[in-house]
Amino acid sequence: EIVLTQSPDTLSLSPGERATLSCRASQSLNRNCLVWYQQKPGQAPRLIIFAISARAPGIPDRFSASGSGTDFTLTINRLEPEDFAVYYCQQCADSLTFGQGTKVEV
Amino acid sequence: DVQLVQSGAEVKQPGQSLKISCKTSGYSFSNYWIGWVRQLPGKGPEWMTVIYPGDSDTRYNPSFQGHVTISADKSNTTVYLQWSSLKASDSAIYFCARQRGYLSYFDSWGQGTLVTVSS
Repeated sequence: EIVLTQSPDTLSLSPGERATLSCRASQSLNRNCLVWYQQKPGQAPRLIIFAISARAPGIPDRFSASGSGTDFTLTINRLEPEDFAVYYCQQCADSLTFGQGTKVEV
Repeated sequence: DVQLVQSGAEVKQPGQSLKISCKTSGYSFSNYWIGWVRQLPGKGPEWMTVIYPGDSDTRYNPSFQGHVTISADKSNTTVYLQWSSLKASDSAIYFCARQRGYLSYFDSWGQGTLVTVSS
């Protein structure tokens, strides 16, 4: 099973700042199947990035992502109040596993 | 619009059975995989199982195989997740979600069903 480790666990930032979230896989992903979700309290996760770097429909361009192999990054430029949430990465190269999440808080 | 609407919260005792549902609409039910995901409080999601309603092909995470059963009813575009004997450790929120493929991501999610198992 591929284990995804996200860092940091919590990111304390202010609106307008940039958030950089990391997701590291325990082994190299042989398919470009790495995605990111946003989850707010009491809600289901929401797809924001698929195929490593493609924004899902309706996701603003302040969200960007990159990576390859075992290291992946989600960047949120100019944080808006609605961006404060928990972010999860998920791989689908070998079964389906999620990271433990990074909380972006004010 | 793609919609997945789940059944309501459940409170059960250990050893009881349970079946929760996920009613879908707004797309071709037979042509997309639907999976179930468990989320424990404060933890990351865990993929449990998935079904392709077109031919009822099913796959299970080994961690959940034998403890849950997934099924689909094409006549009412609904997917189910059932337990025959619940444990306290099954207490969690369960989400259904549409998958773009068997090994793929989840592009639409239900609102979640809270299951509480307690004596």
